[in-house]
Amino acid sequence: GDKVKQSPSALSLQEGTNSALRCNFSIAATTVQWFLQNPRGSLMNLFYLVPGTKENGRLKSAFDSKESYSTLHIRDAQLEDSGTYFCAAEAGSAGNKLTFGIGTRVLVRP
Amino acid sequence: EAAVTQSPRNKVAVTGGKVTLSCNQTNNHNNMYWYRQDTGHGLRLIHYSYGAGSTEKGDIPDGYKASRPSQENFSLILELATPSQTSVYFCASGRDWGYEQYFGPGTRLTVL
Repeated sequence: GDKVKQSPSALSLQEGTNSALRCNFSIAATTVQWFLQNPRGSLMNLFYLVPGTKENGRLKSAFDSKESYSTLHIRDAQLEDSGTYFCAAEAGSAGNKLTFGIGTRVLVRP
Repeated sequence: EAAVTQSPRNKVAVTGGKVTLSCNQTNNHNNMYWYRQDTGHGLRLIHYSYGAGSTEKGDIPDGYKASRPSQENFSLILELATPSQTSVYFCASGRDWGYEQYFGPGTRLTVL
């Protein structure tokens, strides 16, 4: 909810284009995870981040703990990228539990 | 990658009945978690455990109990199910605090 704010709430992308999702944290996040929930409901792990950046194929993610945000970039969007993207933060102040955002729904159009 | 399984995958229960959701992980992870997912809320933590025999309350524990009889198994128990507990429940495991969490496929629970 409010401790982890995701934007935008929904996104429609043309196949082959690029886009970026963002999470802002009001908790002192120490690690961040990004997930993709596919249309069947399964949660797939995309990234696990300490402060820094990671890249995996067409996806790239960054986490800046000082500025309290994380981003997920999608390059050359494909139809299979459709689904809901969640970020979740772990913070020592919250007992090291994962706090989730409410997700960004992404639809990739042919 | 970690393997987390849940059973049942779908469940219909009656109000006032007892429901037990089961979770199994085969990666010898210390920590296990139960979340529920509702529209507009994302995933919220119900109970968690940091090893066999331990259970701890998460952010929304009311109406739920948990049991961790072994390293591999973690159950969520609804003693008196209510319609407000209709939701999708996810189990997760992680090596320890500060490590990546891996999720099971979810259980869709409907309480009539």
